[in-house]
Amino acid sequence: NAGVTQTPKFQVLKTGQSMTLQCAQDMNHNSMYWYRQDPGMGLRLIYYSASEGTTDKGEVPNGYNVSRLNKREFSLRLESAAPSQTSVYFCASVVGDRDQPQHFGDGTRLSIL
Amino acid sequence: QKEVEQDPGPLSVPEGAIVSLNCTYSNSAFQYFMWYRQYSRKGPELLMYTYSSGNKEDGRFTAQVDKSSKYISLFIRDSQPSDSATYLCAMRENTGGFKTIFGAGTRLFVKA
Repeated sequence: NAGVTQTPKFQVLKTGQSMTLQCAQDMNHNSMYWYRQDPGMGLRLIYYSASEGTTDKGEVPNGYNVSRLNKREFSLRLESAAPSQTSVYFCASVVGDRDQPQHFGDGTRLSIL
Repeated sequence: QKEVEQDPGPLSVPEGAIVSLNCTYSNSAFQYFMWYRQYSRKGPELLMYTYSSGNKEDGRFTAQVDKSSKYISLFIRDSQPSDSATYLCAMRENTGGFKTIFGAGTRLFVKA
């Protein structure tokens, strides 16, 4: 049982390059989330998808786009990477019932030079 | 002011000590309260999940919620070196969207 799988685990980009972070879950969850984690800031929500076919902005969406490809997969795209987007990115999912907590992947460590 | 405040630590204790981790919050609409444990270079892992006020115990871990004071706690009894990690509190309203607000995390070191 893999849970939430994120790829790649590490990536270094140059300013202005683009990249897509992949996330897949095998728990048949309805809702999926993308967070970034920075020192002293906690986890901040970038985008979420409450169900297949829907996406919504979170707290820090600028510079990012998302695609809910199907029920299992939710990708995060950086169109033109900036040093301020250097962070650890986490994907999470939840079954969709409001009384259930989120399950997280192990993250993608992204450095932008 | 952040919606959720959590002392970043680090907190260093000897093996066997009782550890108390705390968070305060400002949004009285929060109804679901969670504690996650995060090891270095890993994702957050759910430890405790409670609804509304009260206590919940699971093995060596006890979660307390005091909604009147807007204060939540996680107690770890008989702490072990394997408990060394960052502990994140998190909370959510009882509304759609399922958006969760996280504290910044407290780093805990348990020394053998």
